[in-house]
Amino acid sequence: GAGVSQTPSNKVTEKGKYVELRCDPISGHTALYWYRQSLGQGPEFLIYFQGTGAADDSGLPNDRFFAVRPEGSVSTLKIQRTERGDSAVYLCASSLFGTQEETQYFGPGTRLLVL
Amino acid sequence: AQKVTQAQTEISVVEKEDVTLDCVYETRDTTYYLFWYKQPPSGELVFLIRRNSFDEQNEISGRYSWNFQKSTSSFNFTITASQVVDSAVYFCALSEAPSNTGKLIFGQGTTLQVKP
Repeated sequence: GAGVSQTPSNKVTEKGKYVELRCDPISGHTALYWYRQSLGQGPEFLIYFQGTGAADDSGLPNDRFFAVRPEGSVSTLKIQRTERGDSAVYLCASSLFGTQEETQYFGPGTRLLVL
Repeated sequence: AQKVTQAQTEISVVEKEDVTLDCVYETRDTTYYLFWYKQPPSGELVFLIRRNSFDEQNEISGRYSWNFQKSTSSFNFTITASQVVDSAVYFCALSEAPSNTGKLIFGQGTTLQVKP
């Protein structure tokens, strides 16, 4: 079956604009994760969904960041009033149940550049 | 606090050389999982291995091998007879227990360059 897909692959926006990043997880995976990877760094956790609910959003840097997963499948990460410091690769991952021993499968990421 | 450290930022080797990537972790949990991922230039993280804290047996998969030592909190990765296709960024990651969310804590990554 298909892996995790993310759209767009690249997004260039201007400071202050609103952006939406989409993630389509592996079919049947109940757990979905968003991570952010800055240049030269490892991915950093943002938010975890179990089904439709955000079970852990402790990694969201501030209230400009918000994510939804209304039907328990596709998720959208939303960033309001973008800042240059938001420029990074945003990675999405999914796993079957979301337990700590499971492997997370990652998408190719969305490269966000805020000018 | 949980932490993963990959002290080697970049490593450059010539094809067919063996290379070891170091990973040191910190956790107060007794139950945890460790992972290695490969990130080729395309950007997608590719899963390589998962190891739980109760299994210290070393593992070998083809040219890849992993050495897990709880006494030194290390989970090192060795590539034998490296190839140009092994060039990538490699990440070590820790999945912590208390949250039970499975979220991963990644190290900074080691960039491996294998020259022909």
